Amino acid sequence: GAGVSQSPSNKVTEKGKDVELRCDPISGHTALYWYRQSLGQGLEFLIYFQGNSAPDKSGLPSDRFSAERTGGSVSTLTIQRTQQEDSAVYLCASSKQGGNTEAFFGQGTRLTVV
Amino acid sequence: QQQVKQSPQSLIVQKGGISIINCAYENTAFDYFPWYQQFPGKGPALLIAIRPDVSEKKEGRFTISFNKSAKQFSLHIMDSQPGDSATYFCAASIGSGNTGKLIFGQGTTLQVKP
Repeated sequence: GAGVSQSPSNKVTEKGKDVELRCDPISGHTALYWYRQSLGQGLEFLIYFQGNSAPDKSGLPSDRFSAERTGGSVSTLTIQRTQQEDSAVYLCASSKQGGNTEAFFGQGTRLTVV
Repeated sequence: QQQVKQSPQSLIVQKGGISIINCAYENTAFDYFPWYQQFPGKGPALLIAIRPDVSEKKEGRFTISFNKSAKQFSLHIMDSQPGDSATYFCAASIGSGNTGKLIFGQGTTLQVKP
């Protein structure tokens, strides 16, 4: 597949557990974004990776959230000690260079914390 | 200053009518303004984008109007069709140097009635 791939597509977890969400960007794309979309809400920026630059973490809502991008490719978003308010769809996108280049989104991971 | 404000939150239009969605921004450093379309259960996809050196861009039935002095831009959907029913997001980024993250508006849910 040539698109952005996210896994799992759905995740149900118990409150207090840690979860890891994975994003495989389009090959060759140097920019990678994570967004959160709550039911009926907009796209909340979480974190932005661009090449070898330090990631822009300004959107992470708390220190329970972290993300890494290994080898400039695959990214993992980790949520520790999940809370019910973390329930949302987590969307990953990648683009050739960030900025004014088209961002391609994955299908998202729907996280439900029970 | 990093916000993009979008209105209306929801919109109902009759088939054949014109749908208009508005966005406003504060950061004058923004220089790339895309619109994304999202269908239920899917990730957003780029619809049309504009840079501030032009006041209007048209692609088929979709037109972006850009007012740099007012720091506003809008999406017009002419001859709206039921298949256009979706959520629309405006966005902005700083494209210079291709390092900018995308900041999204809150989204507009459009329903086109047959």
